[in-house]
Amino acid sequence: NAGVTQTPKFRILKIGQSMTLQCTQDMNHNYMYWYRQDPGMGLKLIYYSVGAGITDKGEVPNGYNVSRSTTEDFPLRLELAAPSQTSVYFCASSTTGIGTDTQYFGPGTRLTVL
Amino acid sequence: AQSVAQPEDQVNVAEGNPLTVKCTYSVSGNPYLFWYVQYPNRGLQFLLKYITGDNLVKGSYGFEAEFNKSQTSFHLKKPSALVSDSALYFCAVRDGGSYIPTFGRGTSLIVHP
Repeated sequence: NAGVTQTPKFRILKIGQSMTLQCTQDMNHNYMYWYRQDPGMGLKLIYYSVGAGITDKGEVPNGYNVSRSTTEDFPLRLELAAPSQTSVYFCASSTTGIGTDTQYFGPGTRLTVL
Repeated sequence: AQSVAQPEDQVNVAEGNPLTVKCTYSVSGNPYLFWYVQYPNRGLQFLLKYITGDNLVKGSYGFEAEFNKSQTSFHLKKPSALVSDSALYFCAVRDGGSYIPTFGRGTSLIVHP
């Protein structure tokens, strides 16, 4: 299994541009998550999904959108990129959302907005 | 509500010495506690978790963690540190009824040769 894969690995955007960060998992996990990681700030949850067709906001959803049309894919859309969105973005998945469940993380996408 | 704190931004230890990375938590229900490790330019990897039962949990790469309910702590330990253990370590907590874990800010472990 490839696990959780993310593309691209790196991207530089200009202010106001848009892009989609791709995330795919091949473990048939129902739950998927998008986090951003800023230095010294840990992980902040942007959006999560409990299954195909169902998404919900996390702690820092402003400026982002998601969709979940299939179990495998959970793309994150940035509209009108801003310098504050410069960060490393991680996608994760888990079998269920119950407390005992372990999350599996992708390798991350490093985004710079100039 | 759930929260987790990692009081040290950085821990320095000499190779061969024991290491401890601290984590304290707060939950309203039963805590489910996790440690993840992040190597440079990589995603987080699961190390170990506490669900219930034995307070000493053993995980990958020789790491273990001790759950202390009275002190609401879940410190990560290893008897003998390796230079290759140098990485960023994250503690996470889930309240029993929550879908979403809360992560600490991370502790950078530096093991000196």
